[in-house]
Amino acid sequence: DGGITQSPKYLFRKEGQNVTLSCEQNLNHDAMYWYRQDPGQGLRLIYYSQIVNDFQKGDIAEGYSVSREKKESFPLTVTSAQKNPTAFYLCASSISVRGWGQLWDYGYTFGSGTRLTVV
Amino acid sequence: GQQVMQIPQYQHVQEGEDFTTYCNSSTTLSNIQWYKQRPGGHPVFLIQLVKSGEVKKQKRLTFQFGEAKKNSSLHITATQTTDVGTYFCAGLSGGSNYKLTFGKGTLLTVNP
Repeated sequence: DGGITQSPKYLFRKEGQNVTLSCEQNLNHDAMYWYRQDPGQGLRLIYYSQIVNDFQKGDIAEGYSVSREKKESFPLTVTSAQKNPTAFYLCASSISVRGWGQLWDYGYTFGSGTRLTVV
Repeated sequence: GQQVMQIPQYQHVQEGEDFTTYCNSSTTLSNIQWYKQRPGGHPVFLIQLVKSGEVKKQKRLTFQFGEAKKNSSLHITATQTTDVGTYFCAGLSGGSNYKLTFGKGTLLTVNP
């Protein structure tokens, strides 16, 4: 079955620690994304990557870092600089197609998420 | 930057009643997508609208994209308990800003 796998499902972090959230997809999608979801806030974009070895900051990138060394993998590191890291983190991927002078994203496929709690 | 506003934030209905959620963008959109997130789950893609004035149906769900491509709606006819969840719209602007911007969602609860 093709899809996106996020691990772990639950993660507890002590203050001052860095933690890395895993995201792996076997859909052969070029684009991958990390979102943060807080109650009543919807989904906010942290980082995104359209191709391997390239990624861009989203709306709330401070305190986070990513890498995209392989097409299938897009891990997110929550650093100690992130002041309020407790949240539900969602990874997504999509096909990006260039046409009519624009880059079109088709529907995102989301992973099942990681709930991070700072203790 | 681009903003996508969604109303209402919450909606509680009796089973069998209709439900509508509305989405408005501050900028003209290339396309708009709709997602459903069940409680405790992750967002699942429902549909994408691209053309001005486009209307698409999926069984009891009707999706519309405004003529100016700045607003959209999702209408559910005769809700069922399986419709419970949060419905998100997400807009895509063309050009260099091609990442989706999500609305805050509408949480639908259905009383059986």
